[in-house]
Amino acid sequence: EVQLVESGGGLVQPGGSLRLSCAASEDTFRNFWMHWVRQVPGKGLVWVSRIDKDGSGASYEGSVKGRFTISRDNAKNTLHLLMNSLRAEDTAVYYCVGGSGTILEHWGQGTLVTVSS
Amino acid sequence: DIVMTQSPLSLPVTPGEPASISCRSSQSLLYSNGHNYLDWYVQKPGQSPQLLIYLASNRASGVPDRFSGSGSGTDFTLRITRVEAEDVGVYYCMQAQQTPQTFGQGTKVEIK
Repeated sequence: EVQLVESGGGLVQPGGSLRLSCAASEDTFRNFWMHWVRQVPGKGLVWVSRIDKDGSGASYEGSVKGRFTISRDNAKNTLHLLMNSLRAEDTAVYYCVGGSGTILEHWGQGTLVTVSS
Repeated sequence: DIVMTQSPLSLPVTPGEPASISCRSSQSLLYSNGHNYLDWYVQKPGQSPQLLIYLASNRASGVPDRFSGSGSGTDFTLRITRVEAEDVGVYYCMQAQQTPQTFGQGTKVEIK
């Protein structure tokens, strides 16, 4: 089964930027739609973004549209999330998730993003 | 956006007894291909979420057959025939019929 490992989380000031990465353990990565889902500690799950298998199509949740950009490099089995103009309400654990289309089959362990001055 | 509403939000259960969680959507999740784009996930304590049921009624690989999903349109149910101690966690429904994909608030299942 594919393993997904996120990196790039940390503390950033409001208005700042951060780039999350997700490394997949197998070449099957290229067969998956990839998603980012976030969770404020102790709260529920929120879908953030997804990208299709070849990177030609992407979708975003409304509050991140225009600020976040999802991308992938199938040659390196890697997914990215570039987050700009970060706000306090973006503070959360960000999960990298892969699957068949919209189904969230394979989850990473998550990386914590904290937006605070 | 499609709003997903789960009930109950807290579910104390007795091991060996059945349990069920309801999930309702603000719009129909039935797509023209005949599939209902409704999935169920569980997040066990200290773990990442995991897929339980996809397209309303299909168990994911490795999921015990005591879990089942049913429903169509706007009303869906997750059932556990006999709850086991390892089933504690927060259960979420999620719709994928429209973007953005949206989750329910979560139902916390705990042992009495």
